[in-house]
Amino acid sequence: AQKITQTQPGMFVQEKEAVTLDCTYDTSDQSYGLFWYKQPSSGEMIFLIYQGSYDEQNATEGRYSLNFQKARKSANLVISASQLGDSAMYFCAMREPYSNYQLIWGAGTKLIIKP
Amino acid sequence: EPEVTQTPSHQVTQMGQEVILRCVPISNHLYFYWYRQILGQKVEFLVSFYNNEISEKSEIFDDQFSVERPDGSNFTLKIRSTKLEDSAMYFCASTQIDNEQFFGPGTRLTVL
Repeated sequence: AQKITQTQPGMFVQEKEAVTLDCTYDTSDQSYGLFWYKQPSSGEMIFLIYQGSYDEQNATEGRYSLNFQKARKSANLVISASQLGDSAMYFCAMREPYSNYQLIWGAGTKLIIKP
Repeated sequence: EPEVTQTPSHQVTQMGQEVILRCVPISNHLYFYWYRQILGQKVEFLVSFYNNEISEKSEIFDDQFSVERPDGSNFTLKIRSTKLEDSAMYFCASTQIDNEQFFGPGTRLTVL
């Protein structure tokens, strides 16, 4: 069964606009972690932001914020004031506590920022 | 800032050959992982390693694959007899329990 769903295979956004990348997840555990990673065309995997299931506040890291809606099981990434350098693949991933903390990955969203 | 390193960055090999992909995780991390990403596809978990032994492996991690931590710093993934479908980017990652997983830059493996 699909545990992480990213419904947007690709997105085009105008530079300086905010963008929301969708992620829904499925787990029966109460304790879990949600991650977003950026993968530019060079291939490396860059950590962006983390949200723990017990965190009461939405995580923020600079221009990145995570819109965590626990009841809906969604963990959308919001990028404010997008820049050309934000063009990349973005992956949502979940860590479950009883699986040796391995990450389960979504299929990714390819984000292209237009000048 | 500490980082995970991987060598080589690119590896080209003939089908049927053995390859060893090397990783140096962050020194005080406890869990180590190998993931792979076939071009254009999602990242797939291969194996996790804790306390000097495999803690979990996926169905992809068959008898052709093995991992070792030979000297307390390196963490290696060996593919005994490579197949065309093993062509992928292989990522090593390490973590403390509650922190982010730190990824290495990846090794791009091409099997001809």
